[in-house]
Amino acid sequence: GDSVTQMEGPVTLSEEAFLTINCTYTATGYPSLFWYVQYPGEGLQLLLKATKADDKGSNKGFEATYRKETTSFHLEKGSVQVSDSAVYFCALSDSAGNQFYFGTGTSLTVIP
Amino acid sequence: DTEVTQTPKHLVMGMTNKKSLKCEQHMGHRAMYWYKQKAKKPPELMFVYSYEKLSINESVPSRFSPECPNSSLLNLHLHALQPEDSALYLCASSQDRPGLYEQYFGPGTRLTVT
Repeated sequence: GDSVTQMEGPVTLSEEAFLTINCTYTATGYPSLFWYVQYPGEGLQLLLKATKADDKGSNKGFEATYRKETTSFHLEKGSVQVSDSAVYFCALSDSAGNQFYFGTGTSLTVIP
Repeated sequence: DTEVTQTPKHLVMGMTNKKSLKCEQHMGHRAMYWYKQKAKKPPELMFVYSYEKLSINESVPSRFSPECPNSSLLNLHLHALQPEDSALYLCASSQDRPGLYEQYFGPGTRLTVT
């Protein structure tokens, strides 16, 4: 079945460092891919999405490119801020539109 | 407007109580979801309503009873819960079928069962 694998956390970075959180997927067909962010004590917020191969999703300085050849959707940001400290979830929706799958989440802490 | 609202924000209940969680969206979405989230874990899908009909029940115990009174509202009725049911309960909605569109989440209800 379809699934999403995220890199294990927690990740701790200094402010202004470069961020990469790896996400790979297994799916039949052509899934859509998403990154969600969850700040402490809150619900999940959609951060960005990509619906087809080679699409790049971007928002708030974060980017991710849908790579079908490597089945990946890695999240990147060039310069993190303390306010980016949160848990990041990679997610996949199957091409039949029947299910939504979350990765295990990666906790990010940015220190001043 | 991409807002999903949930009430209450916090709920403490005993194992013999009956309570309800409420969720509302005004985005015209036709699919609505209940998730349970334990600390440091991803959300676990509980129920999906599509066009006001229950389309997915992920083998959830009967002490959780969902209800969709109309296309904007989703309730989760709770009865005889166990301490292990303590968690963050998230409501979400999407434009249409569960996997076809991104989901928008509410802030959640933090439930504690004593």
